[in-house]
Amino acid sequence: GAVVSQHPSWVICKSGTSVKIECRSLDFQATTMFWYRQFPKQSLMLMATSNEGSKATYEQGVEKDKFLINHASLTLSTLTVTSAHPEDSSFYICSARGAGRGNSPLHFGNGTRLTVT
Amino acid sequence: DAKTTQPNSMESNEEEPVHLPCNHSTISGTDYIHWYRQLPSQGPEYVIHGLTSNVNNRMASLAIAEDRKSSTLILHRATLRDAAVYYCILTNAGNNRKLIWGLGTSLAVNP
Repeated sequence: GAVVSQHPSWVICKSGTSVKIECRSLDFQATTMFWYRQFPKQSLMLMATSNEGSKATYEQGVEKDKFLINHASLTLSTLTVTSAHPEDSSFYICSARGAGRGNSPLHFGNGTRLTVT
Repeated sequence: DAKTTQPNSMESNEEEPVHLPCNHSTISGTDYIHWYRQLPSQGPEYVIHGLTSNVNNRMASLAIAEDRKSSTLILHRATLRDAAVYYCILTNAGNNRKLIWGLGTSLAVNP
């Protein structure tokens, strides 16, 4: 089945620094990738949608200058949390879908646990 | 976006069938019903999806009500590895297939 690799699986950084999270589709071309954030005991919250080669579309309330998304190729999207603060500590998850039939399943990475100290 | 309603939690015994319900009374004609599950500290995993007819795959079965206002995910023989949060989600091609996530059902499986 389709595989999405997310890296790193966890990261600890100091307040004020930036962190980059990578999301790769390993065996298919991901035309669209979604980035989610999940706080403990809560559901996934969509942050942004990115299509290869174009700017990401951010959900309401998500700061695009703080959460930089780059989807430069059909197999790689990155999320950079800039000037991270403790409140940015969360579980970040990417998902991807390839071109093809509508409503085919999404494939998810295993998430990145970010802790900002 | 149409919403879904699921019980917060359910419990099952190992080797027994599990029926996880989902209500989606405002479903539109073009909405597909997707089920995903999430194990602790992992990303979600696709389970099954359908439109109108019941669906079976190696993981589970999906029973969709005739009026499509509800559906049931069926795990035929629960194992300890099936303990997870199960999400029932509606999506259609018109919304770029963004998935709107509720809180899901936390399934506990007793040995």
